[in-house]
Amino acid sequence: KNEVEQSPQNLTAQEGEFITINCSYSVGISALHWLQQHPGGGIVSLFMLSSGKKKHGRLIATINIQEKHSSLHITASHPRDSAVYICAVSGYALNFGKGTSLLVTP
Amino acid sequence: NAGVTQTPKFQVLKTGQSMTLQCAQDMNHNSMYWYRQDPGMGLRLIYYSASEGTTDKGEVPNGYNVSRLNKREFSLRLESAAPSQTSVYFCASSERWGGNSPLHFGNGTRLTVT
Repeated sequence: KNEVEQSPQNLTAQEGEFITINCSYSVGISALHWLQQHPGGGIVSLFMLSSGKKKHGRLIATINIQEKHSSLHITASHPRDSAVYICAVSGYALNFGKGTSLLVTP
Repeated sequence: NAGVTQTPKFQVLKTGQSMTLQCAQDMNHNSMYWYRQDPGMGLRLIYYSASEGTTDKGEVPNGYNVSRLNKREFSLRLESAAPSQTSVYFCASSERWGGNSPLHFGNGTRLTVT
């Protein structure tokens, strides 16, 4: 099974700060997913990437296949970004990290 | 466009009772999944259906059964609920099996077994 490690586990930031969440995995993959889970519980897919970088609004996801590492960046963070961010990697089935809980304070 | 619809949102069962969680998607996706989410653990796959007419066990299938009723619907049944099945359950779907297409999740079912 592909071991997926996320760091940090918890993160508190002030509004406007640049945020980075990291994800490392143990076995080569064909795709990596970043998901967002809001306090209400719903889970939405933010990105699916297999190489390079993707950007959507203030969110940027990067992946380094050789180093088996991905980062999710949030620029100009806002309290509405407060959520749990989950990394998942492809394989026999998706393997999920335990999530990074982000709190952005005004 | 409703996406993935999952019912019920909340359920409380006594040990030994049975129930079925319903899931339907309207995106014409081939693959559907049931996950459970427990505190301190990542989402874990219970069962999946890679395509209509097939179902397979995931990581934690014990105590559960599934039915892929048609391309749209995938239900999860607990035959005799146990306190260890207290969890939040998510149904999800994707265009293709194998993690190479985006997942779409239902809103979850919070199940408590007493």
